[in-house]
Amino acid sequence: ETGVTQSPTHLIKTRGQQVTLRCSSQSGHNTVSWYQQALGQGPQFIFQYYREEENGRGNFPPRFSGLQFPNYSSELNVNALELDDSALYLCASSSNPREETQYFGPGTRLLVL
Amino acid sequence: QQQVKQSPQSLIVQKGGISIINCAYENTAFDYFPWYQQFPGKGPALLIAIRPDVSEKKEGRFTISFNKSAKQFSLHIMDSQPGDSATYFCAAKNSGGSNYKLTFGKGTLLTVNP
Repeated sequence: ETGVTQSPTHLIKTRGQQVTLRCSSQSGHNTVSWYQQALGQGPQFIFQYYREEENGRGNFPPRFSGLQFPNYSSELNVNALELDDSALYLCASSSNPREETQYFGPGTRLLVL
Repeated sequence: QQQVKQSPQSLIVQKGGISIINCAYENTAFDYFPWYQQFPGKGPALLIAIRPDVSEKKEGRFTISFNKSAKQFSLHIMDSQPGDSATYFCAAKNSGGSNYKLTFGKGTLLTVNP
């Protein structure tokens, strides 16, 4: 059984650019949730994908978008990057949306200059 | 609006001591309360979780105490070890909601001195 993996591990972008982060869910998991963790803060829910459809969204603007693929891997896209987007981006997978336990990946550290 | 408030922000404990981290929540629809442990450079990992139908749950050295009327829950780490040094997050979830997001506290940085 493989765990949740994310790529890249680190990324540096400049303000106004676009970024794509990737997540491979744990084997057998069809639900992926994305979280933003600012320095010194707890993770904040961005959105969740279940069977390739968005299944709920937190308080993030539309420039945060996502995709889920038939193999249940997922992408987080952020357009028009702002300095405040600098954070650790975590994805978490679960066997279904009602499953309480979410398994987190190691995250992608994004720095916006 | 911070729905889950966690304290203290940081905690220093001697090896063998008891570490206690507290959380309070506002949303009475929350019905699942996990604690996550995060080491530097890693994602959060589930440590222990509780539902509001019990007042206490123990797994090894880790215990959750839950007070439904006060809307508070806490993590107790007995016989704290240097390897327990990490950031701990409490979280809450509304299993009956339209999505199944976790709402996290801001975290507690625990340092266990040898």
